[in-house]
Amino acid sequence: DAKTTQPPSMDCAEGRAANLPCNHSTISGNEYVYWYRQIHSQGPQYIIHGLKNNETNEMASLIITEDRKSSTLILPHATLRDTAVYYCIVRVGGYGQNFVFGPGTRLSVLP
Amino acid sequence: DSGVTQTPKHLITATGQRVTLRCSPRSGDLSVYWYQQSLDQGLQFLIQYYNGEERAKGNILERFSAQQFPDLHSELNLSSLELGDSALYFCASSYGQGNEKLFFGSGTQLSVL
Repeated sequence: DAKTTQPPSMDCAEGRAANLPCNHSTISGNEYVYWYRQIHSQGPQYIIHGLKNNETNEMASLIITEDRKSSTLILPHATLRDTAVYYCIVRVGGYGQNFVFGPGTRLSVLP
Repeated sequence: DSGVTQTPKHLITATGQRVTLRCSPRSGDLSVYWYQQSLDQGLQFLIQYYNGEERAKGNILERFSAQQFPDLHSELNLSSLELGDSALYFCASSYGQGNEKLFFGSGTQLSVL
């Protein structure tokens, strides 16, 4: 079972920041937080991941609370092409620990 | 383009039949993962191979089997197909078997009629 809780859907205006929350209150110390997205019926695309520090890459920023029980994915300037289902996943590193995808958040970026 | 190639893109077959889905991982990646996505179940992990050996098993039916060949490509075999097997099947690859990101292919849409 997925160990995360995400809102089923969100809207965001084009050009504004999209902030997608994820609750993972039962996360253990060795579990990472991953974010993937799936545009329409394409294969999921990796966005970012982190353990406890905030992370930033060319796609997004990941903010993890100090107690690690929740996180926020930030798309700084959302475009129409960011409309997708966003999945927050917690996972222990190492083989045999595979990615369990929940229902995710359907983000709609509106013009 | 993720670098992961899946063939065929679409497959239409009848109940009771057997099909084979093929996946070529990104150059240099040693792990291959198979996922099934249906409308009511979401993305479900089926099985993982690393360098030719099975590493992890998820919700894979006994009618389904997979293997990874010496050239690292993988095949997912689905037999005695049922209507409920209609789904998108994704393959993903990664370099190792630990904590790194997965790269997904564009999927095979299987329709069982």
